[in-house]
Amino acid sequence: DQQVKQNSPSLSVQEGRISILNCDYTNSMFDYFLWYKKYPAEGPTFLISISSIKDKNEDGRFTVFLNKSAKHLSLHIVPSQPGDSAVYFCAASRNSGNTPLVFGKGTRLSVIA
Amino acid sequence: GAVVSQHPSWVICKSGTSVKIECRSLDFQATTMFWYRQFPKQSLMLMATSNEGSKATYEQGVEKDKFLINHASLTLSTLTVTSAHPEDSSFYICSASWGGGGGEQYFGPGTRLTVT
Repeated sequence: DQQVKQNSPSLSVQEGRISILNCDYTNSMFDYFLWYKKYPAEGPTFLISISSIKDKNEDGRFTVFLNKSAKHLSLHIVPSQPGDSAVYFCAASRNSGNTPLVFGKGTRLSVIA
Repeated sequence: GAVVSQHPSWVICKSGTSVKIECRSLDFQATTMFWYRQFPKQSLMLMATSNEGSKATYEQGVEKDKFLINHASLTLSTLTVTSAHPEDSSFYICSASWGGGGGEQYFGPGTRLTVT
């Protein structure tokens, strides 16, 4: 049973527009959510995170929104840039650095110039 | 900050041999390190969790005698793939956590293993 789901395997967006990547989770015990960006043959790079006590966290062009009642979070990138093209993984944990992350399958974002 | 290195970045070995992959946290002490495996176009699958000075906890379906994990210090964990077979060919990634609240893990660049 997949606890973290990214239902869109790919997304194409024009440069300068907003990219919205979605993620759903099923385990209500998760209370910390993270987004990672990954290029081929490289390890994931931490982007942004959000605690379950918040509904929004912003860092530059990246904003993550959390809807706990819907068990849904989204990553907004605005404006999108060609360098943002990568695979984005949503991950969840129980707010402890010693707890493994549960990853979604990823969404491949392509930003078209 | 929060840099994690892996060595080697890629390795080719013959079937039946063993391969050791190192994971180091360069600028922080990692109380916990995680080992993941990624197949092409798939998500990262957790293999095991290792805490410094104690035995690793393996995920269901991962053979602990085949994938030996050692976390001897707060900055180093090793994964040894013993008696490697072609089906062990994969991209292995480690991550490290300093154990604080928040759940951030910092990933190494990964190791591409090809078993011929």
